[in-house]
Amino acid sequence: NAGVMQNPRHLVRRRGQEARLRCSPMKGHSHVYWYRQLPEEGLKFMVYLQKENIIDESGMPKERFSAEFPKEGPSILRIQQVVRGDSAAYFCASSPSRQIEGHLHFGNGTRLTVT
Amino acid sequence: EDQVTQSPEALRLQEGESSSLNCSYTVSGLRGLFWYRQDPGKGPEFLFTLYSAGEEKEKERLKATLTKKESFLHITAPKPEDSATYLCAVQVDSNYQLIWGAGTKLIIKP
Repeated sequence: NAGVMQNPRHLVRRRGQEARLRCSPMKGHSHVYWYRQLPEEGLKFMVYLQKENIIDESGMPKERFSAEFPKEGPSILRIQQVVRGDSAAYFCASSPSRQIEGHLHFGNGTRLTVT
Repeated sequence: EDQVTQSPEALRLQEGESSSLNCSYTVSGLRGLFWYRQDPGKGPEFLFTLYSAGEEKEKERLKATLTKKESFLHITAPKPEDSATYLCAVQVDSNYQLIWGAGTKLIIKP
């Protein structure tokens, strides 16, 4: 009964490289949310996806960032040409439906360090 | 602008010393307020949902309450294993997005 799985747990990239973060939602969940967390700050919404659809990407920078949730396989958050300011913890959460009457199930995050 | 503020930023208590954490919010229309617990290196873990003023929820040593402007997370006779960062989030009417506070880091000394 696996929860939300994120990998890798830690990712180190040099400036200008690409970072790919993966998220497998809980079984039966078709709604995925990506959040970014900086130390001492709250979680910041980035993007909300359903299978094969981006529902809301209003929290994601227009350039260098993209997300997908294909019909098969995990959701991917992709950051191109990373900069030092991209260093953060990126969390994925899933839910069984759009209206969060219950709660989100979070993975343990990917900690991205840009050197 | 919708906003969530948590206080204090950090709280150190002795084991058994009860206290409360605060989450104040200014939003256009509250759909729900959520409390989560986050341990170091882990993702947030859901604790409670509150929908309307006057509502209370309890779980072990934790009790969450809600008014029209704020929520409290009361911790009674805490133990060291209650040490964590406690996060508050609100969901605004007609919007699935959660607006998060920065959290309160709770440290319980044995």
